[in-house]
Amino acid sequence: GAGVSQSPSNKVTEKGKDVELRCDPISGHTALYWYRQSLGQGLEFLIYFQGNSAPDKSGLPSDRFSAERTGGSVSTLTIQRTQQEDSAVYLCASSSVAGRLAKNIQYFGAGTRLSVL
Amino acid sequence: TQLLEQSPQFLSIQEGENLTVYCNSSSVFSSLQWYRQEPGEGPVLLVTVVTGGEVKKLKRLTFQFGDARKDSSLHITAAQTGDTGLYLCAGNAGGTSYGKLTFGQGTILTVHP
Repeated sequence: GAGVSQSPSNKVTEKGKDVELRCDPISGHTALYWYRQSLGQGLEFLIYFQGNSAPDKSGLPSDRFSAERTGGSVSTLTIQRTQQEDSAVYLCASSSVAGRLAKNIQYFGAGTRLSVL
Repeated sequence: TQLLEQSPQFLSIQEGENLTVYCNSSSVFSSLQWYRQEPGEGPVLLVTVVTGGEVKKLKRLTFQFGDARKDSSLHITAAQTGDTGLYLCAGNAGGTSYGKLTFGQGTILTVHP
């Protein structure tokens, strides 16, 4: 596609429910990143995919968070048993080259705004 | 854990004024990026600096990477109302960090006509 697409754009859920957030990266981009943006915390790294594998999951805040990527393309971030502190904007970014940042331009989607009531 | 301290958090100025945003860390970054983010959208890359002491100019915006690669600044000359937005610095530690970015807290810039 023309850019990184994320869906849904907004998600309101009740505490304790599970949610799935989807990211469609730019076609051909092998690297995919998930970040979380919340008030007072800025943008935080969650997980990195290279192809379908995730060599860096160090930013996932708890075992309620998981992510997968299939076919080297679409990625899904799943949050189980959501809590109010999970409310944030979840951003996905893709890049054609991982590693050295000079060549690693990350293109961001518009994000999914998650509100946990 | 690498941290980036960005300041000021808020900046409200009149059109035509100059401003500088700072990004500081005690850690060394292999490179540093500056992004601008509009409401409801993702961050959009403005510039990447990779060499200590590097200065890059983008129209009225001047970006500098510190000699020790621990700090950076963004200077805007003669600000315009169209410059209003959230500015973010982000660093990459390089090595095995796979390009993941460490972001500063952001600076919300408002330029009044």
